[in-house]
Amino acid sequence: AQSVTQPDIHITVSEGASLELRCNYSYGATPYLFWYVQSPGQGLQLLLKYFSGDTLVQGIKGFEAEFKRSQSSFNLRKPSVHWSDAAEYFCAVASGGYNKLIFGAGTRLAVHP
Amino acid sequence: DAGVTQSPTHLIKTRGQQVTLRCSPKSGHDTVSWYQQALGQGPQFIFQYYEEEERQRGNFPDRFSGHQFPNYSSELNVNALLLGDSALYLCASSPSGLAGGSVETQYFGPGTRLLVL
Repeated sequence: AQSVTQPDIHITVSEGASLELRCNYSYGATPYLFWYVQSPGQGLQLLLKYFSGDTLVQGIKGFEAEFKRSQSSFNLRKPSVHWSDAAEYFCAVASGGYNKLIFGAGTRLAVHP
Repeated sequence: DAGVTQSPTHLIKTRGQQVTLRCSPKSGHDTVSWYQQALGQGPQFIFQYYEEEERQRGNFPDRFSGHQFPNYSSELNVNALLLGDSALYLCASSPSGLAGGSVETQYFGPGTRLLVL
């Protein structure tokens, strides 16, 4: 069965430091992968997605992610974190004929000044 | 464009009651999906509606039902509420006919937070 694992429940970084959030997936075919961000009291906002092609994907707000098929990973990165990046981040894989998303449990990011 | 809107924003019910949540999709979108997000967890797919029919369903009991109207808006109904139904319920809309499926271009609403006492 398809699944997504985000190994880190909480991560704390200092403002200006680099960030990497880990995501591992289990999927039999070519995966469609996503990263979403959720700020308190708000819905999900798409940061980036990978369907095919270049394995390094650029997204909004300065985020990027790299698809590594050999490691079944799709890690999210940002070179310099801003205080406004504090939020919960979800990795997801498309399933069900690409009509539904299977989400990981999320990683809560805290940013120290 | 107002994006995806949901109502109400918050709701408190007691066990055994029934609840109806509403979703208006983004303009131009005809497909609506519902997700349940329990506290501290990622969203879980409940079902998807397209052309006023349930197209796909996740692993949720029959107490969860839905409806889609001709204007593409949708309702989620939950009967015989349990404490475990307390969650944020998210609606997502997308246009049909995309090669990448509904998830290729999907917008989420802010959610309805349901508390069952």
